[in-house]
Amino acid sequence: DAKTTQPPSMDCAEGRAANLPCNHSTISGNEYVYWYRQIHSQGPQYIIHGLKNNETNEMASLIITEDRKSSTLILPHATLRDTAVYYCIVNTGTASKLTFGTGTRLQVTL
Amino acid sequence: DTGVSQDPRHKITKRGQNVTFRCDPISEHNRLYWYRQTLGQGPEFLTYFQNEAQLEKSRLLSDRFSAERPKGSFSTLEIQRTEQGDSAMYLCASSRQANTGELFFGEGSRLTVL
Repeated sequence: DAKTTQPPSMDCAEGRAANLPCNHSTISGNEYVYWYRQIHSQGPQYIIHGLKNNETNEMASLIITEDRKSSTLILPHATLRDTAVYYCIVNTGTASKLTFGTGTRLQVTL
Repeated sequence: DTGVSQDPRHKITKRGQNVTFRCDPISEHNRLYWYRQTLGQGPEFLTYFQNEAQLEKSRLLSDRFSAERPKGSFSTLEIQRTEQGDSAMYLCASSRQANTGELFFGEGSRLTVL
């Protein structure tokens, strides 16, 4: 699996957009970018994934650069409930497993 | 609730005892995964099943660990002769074979070995 690099921690004020970056410079052409989050003491939760086009769902938006070497997860209006560790993972979608790194710990504050 | 369920949620045991965790995946998912997570780390892959077949095991899975999915539905993870280093959260997840990047995780089973 290609590796990803994320900042260890970020802060965001409640109501503001949270922009979480991820570098995946060795991504292969058939690999998707997946984002998960893990709220304290819970299992990870799938958020969104994309191949090369930007994606949006009810939770977040995913912006992938044209060269696909990096991406940004955007939470448009962060709330305290969005405080969690966010994981960026690259995967073919048919591989045997996901490989998690240490993620970005997002702290949303009042 | 039709999500992934795990039991027990918490288990405290003494070193040397055996423990077993159970996972019930989402019913239409034919892939089932076990992960382990220690404090401050991301989940680490242990093993996965496609239907009843165990297709891959991590080197993290020592010979004290065994997992089964006898009928391709629920799975069990057994740890024999537990050690303090086995203390961790054991996470189960399931997915469809056609989209293995979208995993649905359970709440996990937290093991504390005294």
